Amino acid sequence: GEKVEQHESTLSVREGDSAVINCTYTDTASSYFPWYKQEAGKSLHFVIDIRSNVDRKQSQRLIVLLDKKAKRFSLHITATQPEDSAIYFCAASDYGSSGNKLIFGIGTLLSVKP
Amino acid sequence: EAAVTQSPRNKVAVTGGKVTLSCNQTNNHNNMYWYRQDTGHGLRLIHYSYGAGSTEKGDIPDGYKASRPSQENFSLILELATPSQTSVYFCASGDARDSQDTQYFGPGTRLLVL
Repeated sequence: GEKVEQHESTLSVREGDSAVINCTYTDTASSYFPWYKQEAGKSLHFVIDIRSNVDRKQSQRLIVLLDKKAKRFSLHITATQPEDSAIYFCAASDYGSSGNKLIFGIGTLLSVKP
Repeated sequence: EAAVTQSPRNKVAVTGGKVTLSCNQTNNHNNMYWYRQDTGHGLRLIHYSYGAGSTEKGDIPDGYKASRPSQENFSLILELATPSQTSVYFCASGDARDSQDTQYFGPGTRLLVL
């Protein structure tokens, strides 16, 4: 089955710098790649996603890149702010005919220092 | 905004006891999911459902049962709880018809099995 590896378990950046979190996946059938954010002591919420028909997607300060050949995708957070500090999870899915079964990475704890 | 609630929010159980975790969603989503979150493992899918009356095994179903009596409710049942089931459990709902295919997570239930 699909495996998603999240390469950075922790990441520390200075406020205003960019942060990059990298993930790789194993199943070439995967076509949907969302990212979720979990603030300390809270639940997860969706931040951005990308589908396999594009290789780049941006939403304000968040950019997701997808390299299907390398089976790699990454989240870039530009101009980081303290409120970006959280655990970020990448996930992948083959988005079957019913439902949306996601396989998650182990999470990256991002710390944005003033 | 999607609304997923879980009860109880915290639970202490004894080894061998029965535990039922409940989830309710008011989004009219077809799909619901149960995950557990453990350090070093990220989120792992236990059971999921495509609609009322259906349950499917996820990636780590052993020791768990699920029940989906209605569109709104999805329960996770530990018939004989063990200390290894101590974890934080998240319920989520989603719908393949949703334009973003987003999963909406509940607040989580902290379960401690003594």
